[in-house]
This record gives sequence, structure tokens and C-alpha cells, in this order.
Amino acid sequence: SQKIEQNSEALNIQEGKTATLTCNYTNYSPAYLQWYRQDPGRGPVFLLLIRENEKEKRKERLKVTFDTTLKQSLFHITASQPADSATYLCALDPRGAGSYQLTFGKGTKLSVIP
Amino acid sequence: DTAVSQTPKYLVTQMGNDKSIKCEQNLGHDTMYWYKQDSKKFLKIMFSYNNKELIINETVPNRFSPKSPDKAHLNLHINSLELGDSAVYFCASSQDLGKREGTQYFGPGTRLLVL
Repeated sequence: SQKIEQNSEALNIQEGKTATLTCNYTNYSPAYLQWYRQDPGRGPVFLLLIRENEKEKRKERLKVTFDTTLKQSLFHITASQPADSATYLCALDPRGAGSYQLTFGKGTKLSVIP
Repeated sequence: DTAVSQTPKYLVTQMGNDKSIKCEQNLGHDTMYWYKQDSKKFLKIMFSYNNKELIINETVPNRFSPKSPDKAHLNLHINSLELGDSAVYFCASSQDLGKREGTQYFGPGTRLLVL
């Protein structure tokens, strides 16, 4: 069966450290993978998209990697701050290129401790 | 300006009632979606609607029906509400269907509680 798994439901790290969140998938061949941030009581907000032919993407303190052999994406936040505390969701297109629907993982709740 | 808006923000109702949630986007996007986020925070696609093409998640009961009066609006009508329908419902939109990788813009959510 098809699955998207994010490594842990919750992750606590110290301010200033690098947070690393994992997204693994099985039985999909996505053309791209996206990461979203969701704050309590709000809708998800798009952060980064990485395509199947890209190994790494960066945006300010954020970095995403995509390994289609391992079927895994890693999401890094460097120099983490308490304001980075939120739930982070990975999402992919379940039918590969040609689909505009997204399937989301259950998310990882990140808490950055001052 | 709010890009994707939903009304109402909160909806408390009795079992068996029929209710509607409205969604509007001012981004000029071609595709709109409805998602359900349950108590475990799992975000699940219910419908996507593009240029009068409706794609339904087969697990969605037929008590749920999307209605799109125009490209900027996608409303969700729910008949005979059940306790299990209690959740947060998110509307979203995306553009550039040609690239098929459109990022999605979400509304603030409608918190539905069925008593």
C-alpha cells in the first residue's frame, strides 16, 4: 500500500541547533515533494518544493533534500529559533507527473526550546 | 487582502442537519480543493475541482458535495451531518496546472463540531 511517513510526531530541540525532519514514502513515484508549515488554528503554508531531479533546495535557513532511491526527503532548519515551533508537513503528488493533487504526511510537531 | 477565505470559521450543529461551508480565492487560480483534518491532525484530500472537472476521493461519503458557482468559489455542502464529520475543513487553491506542481494556498479552516 502507499504510505507517507514522517519520522516522529514530535521533535524537541534547543534553540540554535539544527532541526532535521524526515519524510519517507513507499509505493509512490512522485515528480516532486513539498514541505508546508502549519501553526495551531491556521491552514498550512507552503515552504519549499523539490523536484525529482533535484538533490537539494535551500531557502534562507531552510534546506530540503530529496533522495528518490531511498524514497526519502529531509527538511533542515539551521540556527533554529522558538518562532520555528510549528507542525511541518511533507506532501507529494500521488500519481506522479500529471497530477495536481497532493497527499500529505501526518506532520512532525517541532518545538524549539529557548 | 485575504488570498483564500472561508466562512464560517466555527460551525456547531446537531446531528442530521445540513450545512454549507463557503470558500473564495482571489488569486486567480484554476484549481480548488477541500481537505479534512481530523483530531489526529491528518490532512486528507476530499475533492479537487478544476475547470468543471471534479475529482472525488472515493472514501468521501456522498453526503458531501462540492459546488462551484464560478472559478473563484468552491463551496462544500454536507447533508445529514454525523458525529464523525467533526473536524477542521480547509479550502485550498493552486495555479499553473500546466506545470502540474502548483503549490497550494490554504484558507484558515472551518472548525465543524457535530453534537
